[in-house]
This record gives sequence, structure tokens and C-alpha cells, in this order.
Amino acid sequence: EVQLVESGGGLGQPGGSLRLSCAASGFTFSSYAMSWVRQTPGKGLEWVSSITGSGGSTYYADPVMGRFTISRDNSKNTLYLQINTLRAEDTAVYYCAKGTGGGSSYYFDYWGQGSLVTVSS
Amino acid sequence: DIQMTQSPSSLSASVGDRVTLTCRASQIITSYLNWYQQKPGKAPKLLIYAASTLQSGVPSRFSGSGSGTDFTLTISSLQPEDFATYYCQQSYSTPITFGQGTRLEIK
Repeated sequence: EVQLVESGGGLGQPGGSLRLSCAASGFTFSSYAMSWVRQTPGKGLEWVSSITGSGGSTYYADPVMGRFTISRDNSKNTLYLQINTLRAEDTAVYYCAKGTGGGSSYYFDYWGQGSLVTVSS
Repeated sequence: DIQMTQSPSSLSASVGDRVTLTCRASQIITSYLNWYQQKPGKAPKLLIYAASTLQSGVPSRFSGSGSGTDFTLTISSLQPEDFATYYCQQSYSTPITFGQGTRLEIK
């Protein structure tokens, strides 16, 4: 059974940092691209970042480029999202998601339970 | 960025009804369109990928169609567990984008 379990969310101060983790199990982690998707009441679902199975390529949405860093440790079956220079608009539930598909056919077939990040002083 | 527009934003229906939800892309995305269901407090769940392929384990009352810019998700006979919010998502180009969602409510 595929499981994705996020941790590391919580309250962060504007300008501060947080690191989210996503522990994966039930599949060959290194074979799949992984992503972070966030959700806010006002903006709905927003893709944040993706990383290839090897970790060799990363992709970011413009609003987080230069502030967020996605990474993975395939020996630990764990995905990370380092969030720096926190802004109020980063307040959201962050989901890690397993990606599947080929070429442009790319979809998220499993999601974690979500980790709430709240940015406030 | 490709904008995804879902309609209606909310819909009231009854158990047993046939409902159709629409998703329109701001440019051609061929068939690179996926549908998700989300219930309150839960993560989204993949229903359909590549516009019309049913994800394993998803009931056959769900179906998807369309290509180019216009897509539909149809539920042939609504069940109580189907009342949720539905999102479309395109993977034709980066950034991946989602529609704003259609909330399906019990009439």
C-alpha cells in the first residue's frame, strides 16, 4: 500500500524558514517523480515544485522560485521541501504527491494527508 | 501559464442524478487533463487521467471525455459518497495548473 506521510509544518514567522518532509512507502521511491502541491481557501490547489526520481532535475512555480528548494533522499525514501523567506501568502496546506505518467501525461496518483504551514508574526 | 476554468463553480443535485462537470483550458492541451475528487479535510484523489482513463479502483459511474480545450467529467448516477469538490488539472506544460473546482452539493 502506497503511503505518503508529511511532517514539519507549523507556525513560521515572516522571513523565517521551515522544512517539510514526506516519508514514502509502498512503492519504489527512486523510480518516481515527486511533487509538492499546496492548497489555500482563496487560491485552491497550486502546484509548487517537482523533482525527478533521481533528483537530477527540479521544477518550481514562479511564486516560490528562489525561496523554496525541493530535494529527496532515495536511501531514506523521503522527499523534502525547504521553505525560506516565508511570506504570508505561503500559508497553506502542503501536500506531497507521487507523480506518474510519461511525457506530458503527468498526474498525481497518490497524495499525503497534508501539512499545514501558517505564516504569522 | 495555462488557465483552467471549471463550470459551474457549484452544483446541487440529488442521489441518482446524472451530472456533468466542465473544464476548459485557455489553450490546447490535447488530452493531458486529469480529474480529482476532494472531500473536506482530505487530500485530493485521482479519478481520471489522460482525459478519459479511469484510475484503478474508481467506480465506473465516473467517466471523462474531451480533447483540445474542452473536457467533461460525468457521474452517471450520483451516490451519497460522490458529494465533494472536483478539480481538473493540466499537465501539457509547466507550470502544472488546476481549475478552481466545482463543489457538488446535495439538493
